Amino acid sequence: NAGVTQTPKFRVLKTGQSMTLLCAQDMNHEYMYWYRQDPGMGLRLIHYSVGEGTTAKGEVPDGYNVSRLKKQNFLLGLESAAPSQTSVYFCASIPGRRTPGQGPYEQYFGPGTRLTVT
Amino acid sequence: EDKVVQSPLSLVVHEGDTVTLNCSYEVTNFRSLLWYKQEKKAPTFLFMLTSSGIEKKSGRLSSILDKKELFSILNITATQTGDSAVYLCAVVWGNEKLTFGTGTRLTIIP
Repeated sequence: NAGVTQTPKFRVLKTGQSMTLLCAQDMNHEYMYWYRQDPGMGLRLIHYSVGEGTTAKGEVPDGYNVSRLKKQNFLLGLESAAPSQTSVYFCASIPGRRTPGQGPYEQYFGPGTRLTVT
Repeated sequence: EDKVVQSPLSLVVHEGDTVTLNCSYEVTNFRSLLWYKQEKKAPTFLFMLTSSGIEKKSGRLSSILDKKELFSILNITATQTGDSAVYLCAVVWGNEKLTFGTGTRLTIIP
């Protein structure tokens, strides 16, 4: 199993350009998440999905859109990139809804995408 | 507003010391609290806590949750240079929403 993969690993954009980050997981996980990580800010949730065809907003959704057309893929789009979106982006997934006593809640993270917007 | 606060923001200690990292939270419909270790890349899972007072242990690391006072601590005993990392606390709440604290940067001096 490849686990959680992200493409690309690095990208430099100019202000106003658009791009899509791809997150893929081969573990048949239900839930997938997109985070951004900035110095001193920790990991902030952008959007997440609790199943194929569903998405929901996180803490910092503005300027981003997402889609979950296939269970294994979660796409993060930037329609018009801004310098404030310079960050490291992490994707993560978990198997599904946990019930009490149901084993450890291990969230599997991708390796990250470093995005710079100039 | 839902939030997770970690303290201290950074900590520098000598090898062999014991450290305690703190995490407090205010969320609706709390489900569980997680600790992660982040070195240069993606966070790696350490513990999940759902019940008050039950200590989780893994080698020199241990953690406990207090659901009444809304906080958790992560202890590391006999620290080693390999423990140097950012330690992240995260809370699962609502419909599997996961909110992270800003992290504690731990530096172990040989």
